Amino acid sequence: GAGVSQSPSNKVTEKGKDVELRCDPISGHTALYWYRQSLGQGLEFLIYFQGNSAPDKSGLPSDRFSAERTGGSVSTLTIQRTQQEDSAVYLCASSLGTSGGAVDEQFFGPGTRLTVL
Amino acid sequence: AQSVTQLGSHVSVSEGALVLLRCNYSSSVPPYLFWYVQYPNQGLQLLLKYTSAATLVKGINGFEAEFKKSETSFHLTKPSAHMSDAAEYFCAASGSARQLTFGSGTQLTVLP
Repeated sequence: GAGVSQSPSNKVTEKGKDVELRCDPISGHTALYWYRQSLGQGLEFLIYFQGNSAPDKSGLPSDRFSAERTGGSVSTLTIQRTQQEDSAVYLCASSLGTSGGAVDEQFFGPGTRLTVL
Repeated sequence: AQSVTQLGSHVSVSEGALVLLRCNYSSSVPPYLFWYVQYPNQGLQLLLKYTSAATLVKGINGFEAEFKKSETSFHLTKPSAHMSDAAEYFCAASGSARQLTFGSGTQLTVLP
């Protein structure tokens, strides 16, 4: 079956512009995660959605970052007024989101490489 | 809060040699532990996971890891390295919070 897909695969933008990154999780997965992978910070958790519950936004680095998940499926990560330090690979993952969710395998997409000039 | 430490950002082994990638966790409660592999320009793929059912965990591609509570370790091993094992490996932990906390990664190079 299809895995997690992300678009675009690459995004180059100018400092100060807004960007939207999209994630299509695996069908039937109720949990969705966003992570950021950068040279200086490694892999960092950003935000987590589980079903219709309020998202866990504890990893968002600033109020310029936001995410939504429409209809419990597709998610969009928005970065407003991009800065050069936002340059990174943004990874999306999804999992079944079962009651024992901490052990669920998270399936990762290929990522979106964001470059802020 | 939990943390994950991977010793050695770069490891080189000869083809056919033992692979040992080190991971230590810091948590008051043993977390769930995972090893992921990342090939260039690809997402992360799960190699194996520890869920308290067994301390020796076998994964894909001949990898295995042993959970040692006394050492707070979860090192990844493979008896014989293949060229195709060259990639970056990440140890990760989750617990009451479902998101993964990752180590800094270890780049494995396999020499012919």
